[in-house]
Amino acid sequence: RKEVEQDPGPFNVPEGATVAFNCTYSNSASQSFFWYRQDCRKEPKLLMSVYSSGNEDGRFTAQLNRASQYISLLIRDSKLSDSATYLCVGKSDKLIFGTGTRLQVFP
Amino acid sequence: NAGVTQTPKFRILKIGQSMTLQCTQDMNHNYMYWYRQDPGMGLKLIYYSVGAGITDKGEVPNGYNVSRSTTEDFPLRLELAAPSQTSVYFCASSYLGQNTGELFFGEGSRLTVL
Repeated sequence: RKEVEQDPGPFNVPEGATVAFNCTYSNSASQSFFWYRQDCRKEPKLLMSVYSSGNEDGRFTAQLNRASQYISLLIRDSKLSDSATYLCVGKSDKLIFGTGTRLQVFP
Repeated sequence: NAGVTQTPKFRILKIGQSMTLQCTQDMNHNYMYWYRQDPGMGLKLIYYSVGAGITDKGEVPNGYNVSRSTTEDFPLRLELAAPSQTSVYFCASSYLGQNTGELFFGEGSRLTVL
């Protein structure tokens, strides 16, 4: 079982939609979690950290459920520019990257 | 600041050839990393460095070597290239190691071994 697992998608949603991605992790020692965004043929960039209490950054909300060992990312009012691959990242002694979930927002 | 700069962006190698991927950062970060990304796979850590003169193996170090003679530079050497090393390679750096989760990546180097 992979240490960090994501649904690869693609998620195809219209502009303005709300979309949610989940990510599960197997290592209960994982201390911190993050979401990265990776545009096609580009480098990953940190989108946001995930805090136990949940956190919001504009249209993006991240949640952590330690009991069920999953992390979620909610994107509200999707924009065309949100089209990208979203990487879930967990950290125990090192960063473990998920394979990513691809989002395609269409007009 | 240019951030993290990698060269070359693209390269085709023949089996058995050697090459060096260059990586330099101008953010005065102590920590630097090399990852590879294969289709359908997550980023895999090849080597990392916590400061000049110090390097350590990651998850997939076989077939690669690194050096860190300066804070700025962290080249990755491929000896005897093999088709299994066809991948996209990303160099990254961070200020506080991986604790904050924020790595700054270069634009990547696409390597094909034929």
